[in-house]
Amino acid sequence: ELKVEQNPLFLSMQEGKNYTIYCNYSTTSDRLYWYRQDPGKSLESLFVLLSNGAVKQEGRLMASLDTKARLSTLHITAAVHDLSATYFCAVSAGGTSYGKLTFGQGTILTVHP
Amino acid sequence: DADVTQTPRNRITKTGKRIMLECSQTKGHDRMYWYRQDPGLGLQLIYYSFDVKDINKGEISDGYSVSRQAQAKFSLSLESAIPNQTALYFCATSDLVQGRHTQYFGPGTRLTVL
Repeated sequence: ELKVEQNPLFLSMQEGKNYTIYCNYSTTSDRLYWYRQDPGKSLESLFVLLSNGAVKQEGRLMASLDTKARLSTLHITAAVHDLSATYFCAVSAGGTSYGKLTFGQGTILTVHP
Repeated sequence: DADVTQTPRNRITKTGKRIMLECSQTKGHDRMYWYRQDPGLGLQLIYYSFDVKDINKGEISDGYSVSRQAQAKFSLSLESAIPNQTALYFCATSDLVQGRHTQYFGPGTRLTVL
């Protein structure tokens, strides 16, 4: 059974600081997704990581994937208030279940002035 | 117009009632999914469908059923609602593009069972 764990689950940051959210998963997969959810809203796709060593960047967010360590990171650079949200990682099962995702618990990020 | 729509957006019902949540999409995707979200638990997969004739149980299908009426429509039913089914429900769609199966989520239905 595929398990996905994120840490930390709660993250309170000051504006301008850097931090990293970690996503560990339990079985082999080469597709990892990061989503953002604003309070009371739906999920928005941020990144899709398709291979070992993949790195994607958008603005102050950078995601990477290490399939050997079964680890993905979401790095936040010089945080701003607009980044406050819940961030989820999700991993795709392989074989005939490609597209079926297992989600982490989510990391609630709050950025303070 | 939104690509993935859900109706109703909010629903309050009583224990034992039958309720249906509906999802429609205009993205032309073959794959559709139903999730529930509870605080601190992320999203849990209830059912998924890879095409109109293919429906599969997810992690937490007990107490739920689904119907894939067409490529664009996927409905979730609670045959006899109970209070611990109070949650936020999301429908999602995906298709294989350049090796990705990015899922696109609807706006959600907030269900309260009294």
